[in-house]
Amino acid sequence: GDSVTQMEGPVTLSEEAFLTINCTYTATGYPSLFWYVQYPGEGLQLLLKATKADDKGSNKGFEATYRKETTSFHLEKGSVQVSDSAVYFCALSDNTDKLIFGTGTRLQVFP
Amino acid sequence: NAGVTQTPKFRILKIGQSMTLQCTQDMNHNYMYWYRQDPGMGLKLIYYSVGAGITDKGEVPNGYNVSRSTTEDFPLRLELAAPSQTSVYFCASRTGQGAYEQYFGPGTRLTVT
Repeated sequence: GDSVTQMEGPVTLSEEAFLTINCTYTATGYPSLFWYVQYPGEGLQLLLKATKADDKGSNKGFEATYRKETTSFHLEKGSVQVSDSAVYFCALSDNTDKLIFGTGTRLQVFP
Repeated sequence: NAGVTQTPKFRILKIGQSMTLQCTQDMNHNYMYWYRQDPGMGLKLIYYSVGAGITDKGEVPNGYNVSRSTTEDFPLRLELAAPSQTSVYFCASRTGQGAYEQYFGPGTRLTVT
């Protein structure tokens, strides 16, 4: 079945460092791809999305490009802030009723 | 626009007690979902609904029940609470069109002792 694999955390960075969180997927069709962010004590918020190959989703300085050839949707940010500390979830929708989530990657940013 | 709201925010239950977690959305979404998130873990789907009167099991439905009598509301019922149901519960909803992203509520933190 369809699945999402994320890199293990925690990812620990200093403020203004470059961030990459890897996400790869397995799907039989042509899924839509998402990144969600969960701040401490809160629910999940949609961060960005991409619906077809080569699409780039972007929001709040974060970007991810839908790469069909490598089945990847890596999350990047050029300069992280302390306020970016959160858990990040990669997810896919194969256009059925459900989202399939990765296990989440915790990001910790220190001043 | 309130989005997805959940009540209560916190609850402590004794083993064997029952309770209902409430979820309401004001976006006229047909699809609604219940997830649980155990500490340090990802989300597991408990039940979902594709419209009023229609519900289906997710990955971990045992010990839970749901109903969907209106588009707006999707309550989750815990019968005979067990310590294994200690978790944070999230409700989500989505429209039936587009990229199928889901919108989440703030969660209910449940402890069963």
